[in-house]
Amino acid sequence: AQSVTQPDIHITVSEGASLELRCNYSYGATPYLFWYVQSPGQGLQLLLKYFSGDTLVQGIKGFEAEFKRSQSSFNLRKPSVHWSDAAEYFCAVGARGNNDMRFGAGTRLTVKP
Amino acid sequence: NAGVTQTPKFQVLKTGQSMTLQCAQDMNHEYMSWYRQDPGMGLRLIHYSVGAGITDQGEVPNGYNVSRSTTEDFPLRLLSAAPSQTSVYFCASSPGLADLRQYFGPGTRLTVT
Repeated sequence: AQSVTQPDIHITVSEGASLELRCNYSYGATPYLFWYVQSPGQGLQLLLKYFSGDTLVQGIKGFEAEFKRSQSSFNLRKPSVHWSDAAEYFCAVGARGNNDMRFGAGTRLTVKP
Repeated sequence: NAGVTQTPKFQVLKTGQSMTLQCAQDMNHEYMSWYRQDPGMGLRLIHYSVGAGITDQGEVPNGYNVSRSTTEDFPLRLLSAAPSQTSVYFCASSPGLADLRQYFGPGTRLTVT
């Protein structure tokens, strides 16, 4: 089955600084890739998804992610972080026609004033 | 649309008791899933379904049963609760096939003593 690794458990950035959260996946075929965000005590919200086509995908709240097949990565980026971005971020991988979705362990983002 | 609803929001069980976590969606989604979320482990897939009458095991199915008699409902049964099943449980649905975006419910926090 597919799997996801998020190497960073916790990241702290200053407000206004740029952000990159790492995600590496393992899957033999073309993956469907996702980033979700979870604010404290809340459910998960979809930030962006990659199914096919352009490898740079735009999401909500100013986030973007780039699919790099050669590196098996799907890193999430934001040019300027806001205090409201503090949350936990999850990368996930799936496959077309298959509901066996696998999530990474998550990266907790802290934003310093 | 209510989206994905889960009941109850909180539950405390004694070891050995059984219970059913309810999940319903009103978006006519084909796919539904159950996840558990534990600190440092992200979301782990328990069971999933790709349509009424079709279910399959995910990463951590032991101790849980599911059935899918209708498109709308996907209950999760704990047969004999154990302290290791203390967790937050999320139900999710997705349109399916080529659209695997997960729409999450608000979660059920379960404590087994």
